[in-house]
Amino acid sequence: NAGVMQNPRHLVRRRGQEARLRCSPMKGHSHVYWYRQLPEEGLKFMVYLQKENIIDESGMPKERFSAEFPKEGPSILRIQQVVRGDSAAYFCASSPGTSTNEKLFFGSGTQLSVL
Amino acid sequence: RKEVEQDPGPFNVPEGATVAFNCTYSNSASQSFFWYRQDCRKEPKLLMSVYSSGNEDGRFTAQLNRASQYISLLIRDSKLSDSATYLCVVTFSGNTGKLIFGQGTTLQVKP
Repeated sequence: NAGVMQNPRHLVRRRGQEARLRCSPMKGHSHVYWYRQLPEEGLKFMVYLQKENIIDESGMPKERFSAEFPKEGPSILRIQQVVRGDSAAYFCASSPGTSTNEKLFFGSGTQLSVL
Repeated sequence: RKEVEQDPGPFNVPEGATVAFNCTYSNSASQSFFWYRQDCRKEPKLLMSVYSSGNEDGRFTAQLNRASQYISLLIRDSKLSDSATYLCVVTFSGNTGKLIFGQGTTLQVKP
């Protein structure tokens, strides 16, 4: 049973380009969470999705950022017109349900570097 | 005020030492509490859950004080392999299961 798969592991973009980060949850998991970790900081919640639905996007910047989790395929975090401040590690986590005691399983992350 | 606050450290201790980390949280409705470990900005991994009654897992002991909104992690007989960043994590009722992370406390165990 493969764990949470994120790709790419490293992504380099120039300012103004688009970044697409992909996350495939563990088999049987229908809940996906995206977190961002800026240098020297802790992980910050961005968005929580279930299949075809955004449940909580309270941590998403208002502009340039979007997320989706289609019926088929991985969850996608999309950043348009990237800026240097977007450089960070982006982690995806999945769970089978919404119990607050339910363990989240994290992917290895995507390190985004904006030149 | 941050929802979850930790002393970032670093804590530099010799092998065999006992070290304690503290964490405070601001939301009294917080429901579940965890310590995660993160190595070199890799993915965080669950170390242990934290209960009001306290819990122990080998050399690791976690305590929760709801009245003071305070969580602690004690590591006894530190090993070199314990060097990592320790993240205090809470969730709260109605929070759709999302985790709120502290910024982490860095531990460096020296030979």
